[in-house]
Amino acid sequence: DIVMTQSPDSLAVSLGERATINCKSSQSVLYINNKNYLAWYQQKPGQPPKLLIYWASTRESGVPDRFSGSGSRTDFTLTISSLQAEDVAVYYCQQYYSGPYTFGQGTKLEIK
Amino acid sequence: QVQLVQSGAEVKKPGASVKVSCKASGYSFTTYSMHWVRQAPGQGLEWMGRINPSGGSTYYAPKFQGRVTMTRDTSTSTVYMDLSSLRSEDTAVYYCARDPCSDGGCYNWFDPWGQGTLVTVSS
Repeated sequence: DIVMTQSPDSLAVSLGERATINCKSSQSVLYINNKNYLAWYQQKPGQPPKLLIYWASTRESGVPDRFSGSGSRTDFTLTISSLQAEDVAVYYCQQYYSGPYTFGQGTKLEIK
Repeated sequence: QVQLVQSGAEVKKPGASVKVSCKASGYSFTTYSMHWVRQAPGQGLEWMGRINPSGGSTYYAPKFQGRVTMTRDTSTSTVYMDLSSLRSEDTAVYYCARDPCSDGGCYNWFDPWGQGTLVTVSS
């Protein structure tokens, strides 16, 4: 199985500041089509997860452009450029390169 | 709009089975695969498997192979997840989530998700 490891486990950022969450996979998720099989989700308390980004850097329709994804092969980053109060949530990365499809342990983002 | 509505909470005894349903609406049911993901209390997300509603083919995570069965009813646009031999560690919220398939195939990321069904296993 591909192991996904996120860092940090929790993060406190001031409103309007940048938040950065890292995700590392135990093997490359870059396929021969030159696409990284990596997605990011946001989960607010009491709600199901919501897809933010797929192909490592493609924002889902309706997701604010302050959310961006980057990285390749084994190292990925989710960046929130200017933190808003409604961004408080747990964020998960997920690889869909090979089954079983696995998630990172989650990063809890709070307001400082 | 696309909606996935799951059945209500369940309480089961160890060794029993549970069947959770997920009713889809707002799209062509047989065009998109459906996945099941669970989340233990205060924990992360764990993928369990997927079903292709068109032909009923399934792919289960090895961890659940032999204990999970995913089925579908195309007449009601509903998928089911049956988990047997329940133990306390199976206490979790179970989510169905659609795969955003296209003509090129299915992708194995998840959007949207159902509201979740809490399954509690307790003696």
